Amino acid sequence: AQSVTQLDSQVPVFEEAPVELRCNYSSSVSVYLFWYVQYPNQGLQLLLKYLSGSTLVKGINGFEAEFNKSQTSFHLRKPSVHISDTAEYFCAVSDRFGNEKLTFGTGTRLTIIP
Amino acid sequence: GAVVSQHPSWVICKSGTSVKIECRSLDFQATTMFWYRQFPKQSLMLMATSNEGSKATYEQGVEKDKFLINHASLTLSTLTVTSAHPEDSSFYICSASNLGLAGGKFYEQYFGPGTRLTVT
Repeated sequence: AQSVTQLDSQVPVFEEAPVELRCNYSSSVSVYLFWYVQYPNQGLQLLLKYLSGSTLVKGINGFEAEFNKSQTSFHLRKPSVHISDTAEYFCAVSDRFGNEKLTFGTGTRLTIIP
Repeated sequence: GAVVSQHPSWVICKSGTSVKIECRSLDFQATTMFWYRQFPKQSLMLMATSNEGSKATYEQGVEKDKFLINHASLTLSTLTVTSAHPEDSSFYICSASNLGLAGGKFYEQYFGPGTRLTVT
């Protein structure tokens, strides 16, 4: 079984400032890692994913994340945020052995301050 | 590509009635569909997994007789909330996946826009 911890429930950031949203996971097996964004009253959109290879993953909208196996982390970063980045961000994991189930963290509400 | 739709986007029903939510994969065949429930300001909780032509697999604690799931074709799954009560009010999100969409590497899930259910 896996679990995902997003330590920050809310993160306020000034526009054009950098941001990091933290995600730590726990699993007894190797995992795939994902970040999703949810805008108000909408479904989830995939920002980026880590399957294998380079530990630095680049996604849409200028976001990137780094997989750190020793720290079991997959933090999301953006060097300069925009008002349109205001949304809920979810980190998720699934195992690598045919189980399609996603386990989500509790989410981080990113609020951009003009 | 890989678009998933849900209908309706929002629905209000009276307590004791049933409501059906549809999830469609518009441009691909979904071998597996998932149904999630999301409470306000909380994460998504997986309710069940359905494969075309077979019975859905429900997560622990989810009432099978209350949340009926049918995956009749490779592009359509339905969730019926039977005898709805106010505590069933929530945001229901479906997702669909197909191994082939990710080059056979893994099952990427594509999410629908969600359905807001309010039971009065």
